[in-house]
Amino acid sequence: SQQGEEDPQALSIQEGENATMNCSYKTSINNLQWYRQNSGRGLVHLILIRSNEREKHSGRLRVTLDTSKKSSSLLITASRAADTASYFCATDDSGGYNKLIFGAGTRLAVHP
Amino acid sequence: GAVVSQHPSRVICKSGTSVKIECRSLDFQATTMFWYRQFPKQSLMLMATSNEGSKATYEQGVEKDKFLINHASLTLSTLTVTSAHPEDSSFYICSAPGQGHTGELFFGEGSRLTVL
Repeated sequence: SQQGEEDPQALSIQEGENATMNCSYKTSINNLQWYRQNSGRGLVHLILIRSNEREKHSGRLRVTLDTSKKSSSLLITASRAADTASYFCATDDSGGYNKLIFGAGTRLAVHP
Repeated sequence: GAVVSQHPSRVICKSGTSVKIECRSLDFQATTMFWYRQFPKQSLMLMATSNEGSKATYEQGVEKDKFLINHASLTLSTLTVTSAHPEDSSFYICSAPGQGHTGELFFGEGSRLTVL
């Protein structure tokens, strides 16, 4: 079953703009991860934030986590056309080692 | 980084036949692998956890007799869709945790199954 919802479901922006995606979840977690999926391909891990962390950076990516609100956001700065993909959050709900439950995903389109 | 290879990437079969999908960890050992199913423009749904040397653990609502999982070695898990029907057409993706307990999963490239 899916853990939660992501919004927006779809996002269309111009190159150079920032893209923000949000994720909400329902249960307590060990960590929350963000993955990227190009159309028809497998998923690629982007970043992991642990439940005791509030913010994490990796290159042009910035992830925040608010465990009190059970929500996370992914910010991609200075977007590029190559960032066009679907982005999923996934939570490790402590119920099983590495057993991740994925959110609904945000389809990002970055136009040149 | 850890590499997971999935084969075949695409398969078309007739209704009633069985299809086997392989998932291999190429440069690391995986005692656990996960099988997901994804419908177009939707999220990944966890089907089952494949455990090396023991029975797979299936998620609620997933038919274990329909989706047979075998994890015979530390680098190979297979998913067999038995007596496939058109409604089984989907994108199937496997994943495995890397060594070092980082928490992240490494995914195969997925297998698109079309049942005619």
